Amino acid sequence: GAVVSQHPSRVICKSGTSVKIECRSLDFQATTMFWYRQFPKQSLMLMATSNEGSKATYEQGVEKDKFLINHASLTLSTLTVTSAHPEDSSFYICSARKGGLNTEAFFGQGTRLTVV
Amino acid sequence: KQEVTQIPAALSVPEGENLVLNCSFTDSAIYNLQWFRQDPGKGLTSLLLIQSSQREQTSGRLNASLDKSSGRSTLYIAASQPGDSATYLCAAEHSGYALNFGKGTSLLVTP
Repeated sequence: GAVVSQHPSRVICKSGTSVKIECRSLDFQATTMFWYRQFPKQSLMLMATSNEGSKATYEQGVEKDKFLINHASLTLSTLTVTSAHPEDSSFYICSARKGGLNTEAFFGQGTRLTVV
Repeated sequence: KQEVTQIPAALSVPEGENLVLNCSFTDSAIYNLQWFRQDPGKGLTSLLLIQSSQREQTSGRLNASLDKSSGRSTLYIAASQPGDSATYLCAAEHSGYALNFGKGTSLLVTP
């Protein structure tokens, strides 16, 4: 099946610093990618929709200036957590579809972010 | 807003048992429903995708059904094995590509 690769899998950073997470579609092009956040024992919550060549669409309550999304190519989307705080510690996971609506969604391995 | 609920939250069964995981959604106007498996600290692995026009899908020991009118889907696992231990998530695609997830069912299959 299609493969989505996410890097890094784990990162620990100091408060106030920024962290970049990459999401790549390895064997297909993705005009749209999705970024989710998952707290322990909780569901995945959509943060934003990343659109190649245009601005991301953020869900209500997600600060676009804090969670910067760039989708510069058809195979790469990045999420940058700026000025990270301990409350940003979470599991971040990206997703992409090989086709359009009604096609299987593939997920990256996730990134465990810990802000100390 | 689409709400997806999964019952039970946790389940422990002995190896070899057949089991059913339940998923319900509030808005029946879905494009599809997808079941995923998530191992601790890992990403999601897609198990089955059921289109809105379909009633069920099967893959190996897994069978997923969909009843749009009642807003329900079930994942049936036959002859469970310890390797099936994981969290199982269901997700409904309503519109705009993104998925709405339930909180998952944590399954433990004991030898």
